[in-house]
Amino acid sequence: EVQLVDSGGGLVQPGGSLRLSCAASGFTFSDHYMDWVRQAPGKGLEWVGRVRKKTKSYTTEYAASVKGRFTISRDDSKDSVYLQMNDLKTEDTAVYYCVRVGPSGSLSLDYWGQGTLVTVSS
Amino acid sequence: DIQMTQSPSSLSASVGDRVTITCRASQGIYNYLAWFQQKPGKAPKPLIYDASRLQSGVPSKFSGSGSGTDFTLTISSLQPEDFATYYCQQYNSFPLTFGPGTTVDIK
Repeated sequence: EVQLVDSGGGLVQPGGSLRLSCAASGFTFSDHYMDWVRQAPGKGLEWVGRVRKKTKSYTTEYAASVKGRFTISRDDSKDSVYLQMNDLKTEDTAVYYCVRVGPSGSLSLDYWGQGTLVTVSS
Repeated sequence: DIQMTQSPSSLSASVGDRVTITCRASQGIYNYLAWFQQKPGKAPKPLIYDASRLQSGVPSKFSGSGSGTDFTLTISSLQPEDFATYYCQQYNSFPLTFGPGTTVDIK
C-alpha cells in the first residue's frame, strides 16, 4: 500500500525557517517525481513545487510565490522528500501536502500525504 | 500561467441526482487534466487523470470527459459520501494550477 507521511509542521515567526519531511513507503520511491501542494485555511489548492528523479538529475520546479525561498530535495536512500522553507511569510500559512507524481506517461498527482500544518505568525 | 475556472462554484443536489461540473483552461492543455475530491479536514483524493481515466479504486459512477480547454466531471448517481468539494487541475505546463473548486452539498 502506498503511504506518504508528512511531518515537521508547526508555528514559526515571520522571517523564520522550517523543514518539512515526507516519508514514503509501499512503492519504489526512486522511480517517481515528488511534489508539494499547499492549502491555506479555508482556501483552494496551490502547487508549490517538484523534484524529479535521479535520471532527470533531481531537477526542480517551483511556484513563483516560493521561488528563491523554498527548496525541495530528496533522499532516495531514506525514501524521503523534504521542503526547506526560509524567509517565511504570513501568507505561507497552510497545510502542506507531499504528493507522488504518477508514472511516466501520466504525470498526474496520484497519492497524497495527510498534510502537515504550518502557521506563520508572530 | 494557465488559469483554471470551474462552474458552478457550488451546487445543491439530492441523493440519486446526476451532477456535472465544468472546468475550463485559459489555454489548451490537451488531456492533461485531473479531478480531485476533498472532504473537510482530509487530503484531496484523486478521481480522474488524463481527463477521462479513473484512478485505481474509484467507482465507475465518476466519469470525466473533454480535451483542449473544456472538461467535465460527472457523478452519475450522487450518494451521501459524494458530498464534498471537487477540484480540477492541469498538468500540461508549469506552474501546475488548480481550479477554485466546486462544493457539492445536500439539497
